[in-house]
Amino acid sequence: GAVVSQHPSRVICKSGTSVKIECRSLDFQATTMFWYRQFPKQSLMLMATSNEGSKATYEQGVEKDKFLINHASLTLSTLTVTSAHPEDSSFYICSARPPRQGPPYSGNTIYFGEGSWLTVV
Amino acid sequence: EDQVTQSPEALRLQEGESSSLNCSYTVSGLRGLFWYRQDPGKGPEFLFTLYSAGEEKEKERLKATLTKKESFLHITAPKPEDSATYLCAVLKGTYKYIFGTGTRLKVLA
Repeated sequence: GAVVSQHPSRVICKSGTSVKIECRSLDFQATTMFWYRQFPKQSLMLMATSNEGSKATYEQGVEKDKFLINHASLTLSTLTVTSAHPEDSSFYICSARPPRQGPPYSGNTIYFGEGSWLTVV
Repeated sequence: EDQVTQSPEALRLQEGESSSLNCSYTVSGLRGLFWYRQDPGKGPEFLFTLYSAGEEKEKERLKATLTKKESFLHITAPKPEDSATYLCAVLKGTYKYIFGTGTRLKVLA
């Protein structure tokens, strides 16, 4: 079964509003989570690395004031898209990494959520 | 420059026609190479992790191998349900996962 869960799977919001996407680690406490954006037929674009209890590290070109990431607990990270615009419409995916190596998880492997489709109208 | 390149970009196979997908990398200090399967509109699903040259992992019709410069994902006697995009990623350092652009596989019945 899934070890990382994302919610909502699909969301439509009006331009100018904010929307929050949740990423939950179900099977382990994840000190590190990652947020990606994916355009059609393209690979994953890392947006930020989120460490529990500290500020997220954003990739170059990603507006941290627009894409707010909060990793308040070891099982939950949230991505809030503020003042959303149609160009923010995309597929957003999170991933989490188990804190230790060993069964049933492969060390250093990151596990992905199901993804969230955001449409800004 | 650290880079992960996957080939081919797209592949069409007849059911039962075995083939291999390639993932080549130019990354120093490799700390793991990962294969994922991604279905349309879904998040990637973990398949394999490889750590050192010569290592092999198998799961059903899939087998992943690793050399010092590349990894192969061999698909034996594929079925239509194996149709998906296969992503390769490498880990450099503690947190830097570098993804390839994927191979879109279509298996025809």
